[in-house]
Amino acid sequence: QSVLTQPPSASGTPGQRVTISCSGSRSNIGSNYVYWYQQLPGTGPKLLIYRNNQRPSGVPDRFSGSKSGTSASLAISGLRSEDEADYYCAAWDDSLSGYVFGTGTKVTVL
Amino acid sequence: QVQLVESGGGLVKPGGSLRLSCAASGFTFSDYYINWIRQAPGKGLEWVSHISTGGSTIYYADSVKGRFTISRDNAKNSVYLQMNSLRAEDTAVYYCARGEGGDIWGQGTMVTVSS
Repeated sequence: QSVLTQPPSASGTPGQRVTISCSGSRSNIGSNYVYWYQQLPGTGPKLLIYRNNQRPSGVPDRFSGSKSGTSASLAISGLRSEDEADYYCAAWDDSLSGYVFGTGTKVTVL
Repeated sequence: QVQLVESGGGLVKPGGSLRLSCAASGFTFSDYYINWIRQAPGKGLEWVSHISTGGSTIYYADSVKGRFTISRDNAKNSVYLQMNSLRAEDTAVYYCARGEGGDIWGQGTMVTVSS
């Protein structure tokens, strides 16, 4: 079951900036790091952001993450057609003693 | 090449068992904890289980607790997920992922529970 809430969809035209929100609680986002994943159609997830705002090597700086209180967000600037994918947030939950994922957001490039 | 490769998926009847494997290569396996995550067809990601580097710390999602058992063999660079009492709702692609945040994921193995 998803404990983190994301909007089901987001869209933009090429070059635009798109932001995806991820809402949690004190026991998960409020106390722990947030991670973001990109899942292209038909493929497995790929880590996009770790520890709230860090990018693994190879991830373009068009992707950025932030966290405030019990919410986090992922921003994609300079939107490109290859960014069309599903995006998930995740965090460790101290109450559940496990990771929780967001509901997922489908990004469409118009 | 740094990679994780899952295997062991397949079709099983409700109440049956399967053992998934996650084989690592290209890195020092014993330095990393491993998580299993699953994705039901057309659905989102669901964390399943976690095992620490030495295997002493283990966590399970409530949905699989008491039915699934995670283990690892650092000499064989592998993690296993023993799945018993399988239910239709366990049908999913099962991924293993490396370390904090899952910086490396396998390609996944499909588990179908159906009569």
